[in-house]
Amino acid sequence: GAGVSQSPRYKVTKRGQDVALRCDPISGHVSLYWYRQALGQGPEFLTYFNYEAQQDKSGLPNDRFSAERPEGSISTLTIQRTEQRDSAMYRCASAGHVQETQYFGPGTRLLVL
Amino acid sequence: DQQVKQNSPSLSVQEGRISILNCDYTNSMFDYFLWYKKYPAEGPTFLISISSIKDKNEDGRFTVFLNKSAKHLSLHIVPSQPGDSAVYFCAASASKAAGNKLTFGGGTRVLVKP
Repeated sequence: GAGVSQSPRYKVTKRGQDVALRCDPISGHVSLYWYRQALGQGPEFLTYFNYEAQQDKSGLPNDRFSAERPEGSISTLTIQRTEQRDSAMYRCASAGHVQETQYFGPGTRLLVL
Repeated sequence: DQQVKQNSPSLSVQEGRISILNCDYTNSMFDYFLWYKKYPAEGPTFLISISSIKDKNEDGRFTVFLNKSAKHLSLHIVPSQPGDSAVYFCAASASKAAGNKLTFGGGTRVLVKP
């Protein structure tokens, strides 16, 4: 079956632009997570959803970062007024339910020039 | 402050021998631990997990050991195969906290030489 997909796979943008990163979870998965991974490090939690409800956004670095999952399926992570320090791999994961194994997508590599 | 640490950034092992990957954690609220494996250009894939009520979990060639008093876990791969060459991430979560968000270590790159 289809796994977690993310688009775009690569995004190059200029400082100050807004970007939207998309995550398409495994069909039927209730929980959806966003992580950010810097080069040479492990993923760091950003936020997560159960169905369409954003349950925890404690990992979002600042108010330029936001996420939504309006219909409880596809999710979008938006970064406004991008800065060079936002450059990283952004990973999405989904799980059948909140206590179940998280399955990761291939990630979106964001480069802010 | 890193709550999950993998102190060995890389490991090289001969095919057929044992690979031992180590992971230390500091947060005593963590009670569920996982290992993920990552190939280049792919997302991390789940490998094996262990709950804090156990001290060992085995799945084929992969065994995870948990020492709660030392806040230490390890992954053993026996025998190692060239296809095991990848980056391995240790992760932890606190089941009593909402959300099951994972805290990851920095990863260990394993190279299995034929």
